Amino acid sequence: QVQLVQAGGEVRNPGASLNVSCMTSGYTFTKYALHWVRQAPGQRLEWMGWINAATGHTKYSQKFQGRVTITRDTSAKIVYMELTNLRSEDTAVYYCARTASYAFDIWGQGTTVTVSS
Amino acid sequence: QSALTQPASVSGSPGQSITISCTGTSSDVGSFNLVSWYQQHPGKAPKLIIYEVTKRPSGVSDRFSGSKSGNTASLTISGLLAEDEADYFCCFCERKNTWLFGGGTKVTVL
Repeated sequence: QVQLVQAGGEVRNPGASLNVSCMTSGYTFTKYALHWVRQAPGQRLEWMGWINAATGHTKYSQKFQGRVTITRDTSAKIVYMELTNLRSEDTAVYYCARTASYAFDIWGQGTTVTVSS
Repeated sequence: QSALTQPASVSGSPGQSITISCTGTSSDVGSFNLVSWYQQHPGKAPKLIIYEVTKRPSGVSDRFSGSKSGNTASLTISGLLAEDEADYFCCFCERKNTWLFGGGTKVTVL
């Protein structure tokens, strides 16, 4: 079946960088866009950006522009999200999600990231 | 980016119907049928329950229905069950292929 599998939790110091992976399976990788969405404790979901898995074209939320980079490995069917210059406000659960018909139809299980010194 | 406004909480008794609103503007929700709804239980990933305002993915109960009037989209849960207690988020795909989420509504089954 269609699955998005993310790595486990991460702990980072302020100022460090984060790299989260999302392994896909069960569908044609290049036919769908993949997004990253995060959720800080008790907060709303927050869209960060997406990548066209076929072309590699990306689009980022203005809020994260300059700090976030989304890439993909087409042969391995994995999407990555790098977030730099981490601060405590970046503590959140980070989800990858696939879009179909302008909606997030499949979600990863989430990666919990804690930024603390 | 504009904001999507949802009520913080809605409650109902088992068997009742409840409606959650998601208010945008005439430039987004009012102009395009690109609203989706997600159910999220504590500690779990969100689950798509409605897309393109009214459509239900395969496997989602027909107790969930979506609608839109003007700048406000709505999610109705009929025949409320204990398992429906969760957070619900609306989402809109904006014209420049960016996505916007509502603040979320906590549904309590009394």
